[in-house]
Amino acid sequence: GAGVSQSPRYKVAKRGQDVALRCDPISGHVSLFWYQQALGQGPEFLTYFQNEAQLDKSGLPSDRFFAERPEGSVSTLKIQRTQQEDSAVYLCASSLNINEQYFGPGTRLTVT
Amino acid sequence: QKEVEQNSGPLSVPEGAIASLNCTYSDRGSQSFFWYRQYSGKSPELIMSIYSNGDKEDGRFTAQLNKASQYVSLLIRDSQPSDSATYLCAVNGGSQGNLIFGKGTKLSVKP
Repeated sequence: GAGVSQSPRYKVAKRGQDVALRCDPISGHVSLFWYQQALGQGPEFLTYFQNEAQLDKSGLPSDRFFAERPEGSVSTLKIQRTQQEDSAVYLCASSLNINEQYFGPGTRLTVT
Repeated sequence: QKEVEQNSGPLSVPEGAIASLNCTYSDRGSQSFFWYRQYSGKSPELIMSIYSNGDKEDGRFTAQLNKASQYVSLLIRDSQPSDSATYLCAVNGGSQGNLIFGKGTKLSVKP
């Protein structure tokens, strides 16, 4: 079946711009996670949804980061007033429970 | 702070050999352990999960878990050039399921 999809795959933003990154999880997966991966590092947890409820947002680096999943399916990660340190690959993962997580292709964000 | 440690490598093995990848974790209460493979420029791909002490085999891959030593490993038998990638060890970080990843070990399989 279809895997996790993310869009856009690449995004270039000027410093100070707002961006919105979309994740479409595997159908039926109730758990959805966002991670940030810097070059040469492992992914770092940002936030977690179970259906439409955001149960953990402890990894969001600042109040400029906001995520939502209003209908329990598609999720959007929004970054306001982007900074150069926000440049990274943003990965979305979904899971049927909370264990085995399957990643989408990621969105590479470059802030200039 | 919960941590997952891996040797960054690169680990170089000849084709057909066994590649051994190792990982240690700091949280003794961790219950779920995963190995992901990540090709350059691609996203992580789940290849193994293990939840109890001992070995778990899936094709050419064997995951080994020792909770007492807080150690998890991945063995790749009959290594192929297509196995060349970065291997990420991940540990369940809490009740909500977020994963804590190591920095990954880069594996190179030489023909």
